[in-house]
Amino acid sequence: DADVTQTPRNRITKTGKRIMLECSQTKGHDRMYWYRQDPGLGLRLIYYSFDVKDINKGEISDGYSVSRQAQAKFSLSLESAIPNQTALYFCATGNGEQSPDTQYFGPGTRLTVL
Amino acid sequence: KQEVTQIPAALSVPEGENLVLNCSFTDSAIYNLQWFRQDPGKGLTSLLLIQSSQREQTSGRLNASLDKSSGRSTLYIAASQPGDSATYLCAVRPGDSSYKLIFGSGTRLLVRP
Repeated sequence: DADVTQTPRNRITKTGKRIMLECSQTKGHDRMYWYRQDPGLGLRLIYYSFDVKDINKGEISDGYSVSRQAQAKFSLSLESAIPNQTALYFCATGNGEQSPDTQYFGPGTRLTVL
Repeated sequence: KQEVTQIPAALSVPEGENLVLNCSFTDSAIYNLQWFRQDPGKGLTSLLLIQSSQREQTSGRLNASLDKSSGRSTLYIAASQPGDSATYLCAVRPGDSSYKLIFGSGTRLLVRP
C-alpha cells in the first residue's frame, strides 16, 4: 500500500462549487504539505502543517483552506472554486528530524474547474 | 528571492545515450538540493539529495553534482533506457528553512527505443 494517498485522483467541478481534497499518510510523519503544480511551472506550496495544532500559509494560500484532522490526515478545501485553480495538487509528508530530510509525495489529484 | 531554473524544458534522446540535465538557482545559501522524478499518475519520487557540504551523490546510473558557489547542479544519466522517460524536477531547500522546497519547472525526458 502507498504511504501517502490522495482522494479523489481526478475531479471535474464547476465554478463556485466547494471542493475538498483529502490526504492520508501511514509514514507516521508530523509534517504535511499541500502543493499545486501548473503546466510549465514548478510545485508551489499552498499550506503546511508541522503537527495537528500547527497550520501555516504557504506561498499561494489565497482561495484555499486546510484542516488537519489527525496526524495522518490533512485536507485541502477550495471554498468557491474558480477556473485558475485548475491544476495538479500534491500532498506530501516529511519528518523534520530526519537527516537527510526529505519529503514524500502522494500520487496527485488532477482538478479541473469549468 | 530564490529562483530555480531547469534547462532544457524537454529532451528526446535515443536509448543508450548518456545525458545531462541542468538546474540553476539564484541564491547560493541553500541547505540541500534534491532531484525528483515525476511519472504521470504516480507523484514525485526522490532520486538524489545533496547536502550543501557535498559535491555529488550517486545512485546506480544516476549522478548528481552540486556547485553551490556558481548556483548549479547537474543530473547525469548514464546509458539511458526507455524506462527513464519521465519529468525530472530539482528543488532547493533554502538555508534558512527546515521545510521549504523551491522547485524548478522540470525537464521532460523521452528516451526513444
